[in-house]
Amino acid sequence: DIQMTQSPSSLSAPVGDRVTITCRSSQSIRTYLNWYQQKPGKAPKLLIYAASSLQSGVPSRFSGSGSGTDFTLTISSLQPEDFATYYCQQSYSTLGTFGQGTKVEVK
Amino acid sequence: EVQLVESGGGLVQPGGSLRLSCAASGFTFSNFWMSWVRQAPGKGLEWVANIKQDGSEKYVVDSVKGRFTVFRDNANNSLYLQMNSLRAEDTAVYYCARDGSFEAFDIWGQGTMVTVSS
Repeated sequence: DIQMTQSPSSLSAPVGDRVTITCRSSQSIRTYLNWYQQKPGKAPKLLIYAASSLQSGVPSRFSGSGSGTDFTLTISSLQPEDFATYYCQQSYSTLGTFGQGTKVEVK
Repeated sequence: EVQLVESGGGLVQPGGSLRLSCAASGFTFSNFWMSWVRQAPGKGLEWVANIKQDGSEKYVVDSVKGRFTVFRDNANNSLYLQMNSLRAEDTAVYYCARDGSFEAFDIWGQGTMVTVSS
């Protein structure tokens, strides 16, 4: 099975900061990497698919990059509504494993 | 409006069974793979199962093999998860999700809570 490892597990940052979250897969997944945002008590929301494609309706301050085994999610200027938990997920194999999540908190 | 609505969750004793349902609307259900994803209280997301458009292929995570079955009814735009021999560690919110481009989960239901406890 493909394992997904995110870092950091949590971070605190002020509004306006640039934030980067990394995700590493245990084997190459080409660009089959997706990013989700989840707020407490809510279902996850797709932000980025295929490593770098912005889902319709998602603000352009979110961007993704990477291929193979190393990927990043960047928020260019953190907004109050961005405080949430972020998950990466590989869709290269049928078992679509998720990373353990990164909680972004206000500083 | 594109929508997924889960139902069927609740409290069940260890060893018991439960069937979850997911009603789809606003899109051509039969054109998409569909998945179940769960989240234990305070924990991360875990992919549980998925099923091909015509039901001819289906997969489940190892921890539920032999206990959970995924199936669908395209005529009624519905996805199901039959859960047998439930254990305490199956306690979670269960989400159904649509597999969109690059098999990313682009549409999610609101989730249904399953609690396995005596």
